[in-house]
Amino acid sequence: SQQGEEDPQALSIQEGENATMNCSYKTSINNLQWYRQNSGRGLVHLILIRSNEREKHSGRLRVTLDTSKKSSSLLITASRAADTASYFCATAPFNNNDMRFGAGTRLTVKP
Amino acid sequence: SQTIHQWPATLVQPVGSPLSLECTVEGTSNPNLYWYRQAAGRGLQLLFYSVGIGQISSEVPQNLSASRPQDRQFILSSKKLLLSDSGFYLCAWSPLGLAGKDTQYFGPGTRLTVL
Repeated sequence: SQQGEEDPQALSIQEGENATMNCSYKTSINNLQWYRQNSGRGLVHLILIRSNEREKHSGRLRVTLDTSKKSSSLLITASRAADTASYFCATAPFNNNDMRFGAGTRLTVKP
Repeated sequence: SQTIHQWPATLVQPVGSPLSLECTVEGTSNPNLYWYRQAAGRGLQLLFYSVGIGQISSEVPQNLSASRPQDRQFILSSKKLLLSDSGFYLCAWSPLGLAGKDTQYFGPGTRLTVL
């Protein structure tokens, strides 16, 4: 069963704008990860944030984690057409040996 | 560097036929291995994971089975395919230890269509 739920399901923006995607989950986690998937391809790992971290940066990506609200956000700044893809959050629960992926946010960046 | 391969890339099979999808990892030892299925426009459903040779954990009881005959080889099989088995199958690996909690590295996937 899915653990994370991304919001919105789809997002369309213009190149240069910022894109924010949210993820909510239900159980206590060890860490939360964000992945990207280009159409018809495998997933690529973007960033991992541990349960004791609140914010993490990687290039144009900024991830926040609020364990009290069981939510995370992924911000992509100064978006480019090449950022067009689906973005998934995945949670690693403490008590399970597997990650749970949400249904993803489909991001379209228009040139 | 580590690489993960999946084949075939695309497969069209009739209902009731057998299935064998293969995944191999290079450049690492004792990886944790995973099989996921992704329906069109949906998230990933974990099917099986393995922490070692011959050790398979099944997440969803269904028409599929998995085997790990070698350290870096993971095979997804079915004796008789159903229409509902259609989807995009992804193999992934993660480093030894912290199974399911570490970064996972995905293969390119196999698109299976059952007619």
